[in-house]
Amino acid sequence: EIVMTQSPATLSVSPGERATLSCRASQSVSSNLVWYQQKPGQAPRLLIYDASTRATGIPARFSGSGSATEFTLTISSLQSEDFAIYYCQQYNHWPPITFGQGTRLEIK
Amino acid sequence: EVQLVESGGVLVQPGGSLRLSCAASGFTFSSYEMNWFRQAPGKGLEWVSYISSSGSIVHYADSVKGRFAISRDNAKNSLYLQMNSLRGEDTAVYYCARTSSYHDSSGNYYLRQYFQYWGQGTLVTVSS
Repeated sequence: EIVMTQSPATLSVSPGERATLSCRASQSVSSNLVWYQQKPGQAPRLLIYDASTRATGIPARFSGSGSATEFTLTISSLQSEDFAIYYCQQYNHWPPITFGQGTRLEIK
Repeated sequence: EVQLVESGGVLVQPGGSLRLSCAASGFTFSSYEMNWFRQAPGKGLEWVSYISSSGSIVHYADSVKGRFAISRDNAKNSLYLQMNSLRGEDTAVYYCARTSSYHDSSGNYYLRQYFQYWGQGTLVTVSS
């Protein structure tokens, strides 16, 4: 099973600033990695797939990078609606599909 | 518009059984693989089960293997999760989600296990 580790657990950033979230895989997942955003009481929302491709309708301030075992989600200028929990998920080796434990992005 | 609507979540006693349903619309259900996920209160996302488009291939997380059974009825555009021998740690919101698989211009098929389309979730509470 591939273990996904996200850091930090909580990130405090002011609106308008840049946020950088990290995700590490216990072994290479190539570029088969996605990022989701989840707000309370809602299902996850797909942001990025194939490590760096924005999903339909996702604003350009969201960007993904990385390959193999190290990945980053960057939000260039935080808007109020971006404060949420972010999860990474690998789909290179499954079953099982595995997620990181999440990064909570909170307002500073 | 793709829609997935889960139902069937209730309060059930430990050791009990429950069947969740997921009604699909807005796409050709029989062409897509489907998955169940869950999220315990205040916790992260956990994959539960997968089923192929025909229903002939299934996979389960170790935490539910032997207790849960995934199935589908393509004629009814519906996905199911039969949950037996329920435990307190099965308490969670359960989501169904559609794979992002596709055919390219050459007809090659790619199974992509990431998820743009999710249901709203249904809460299962296991407690006495």
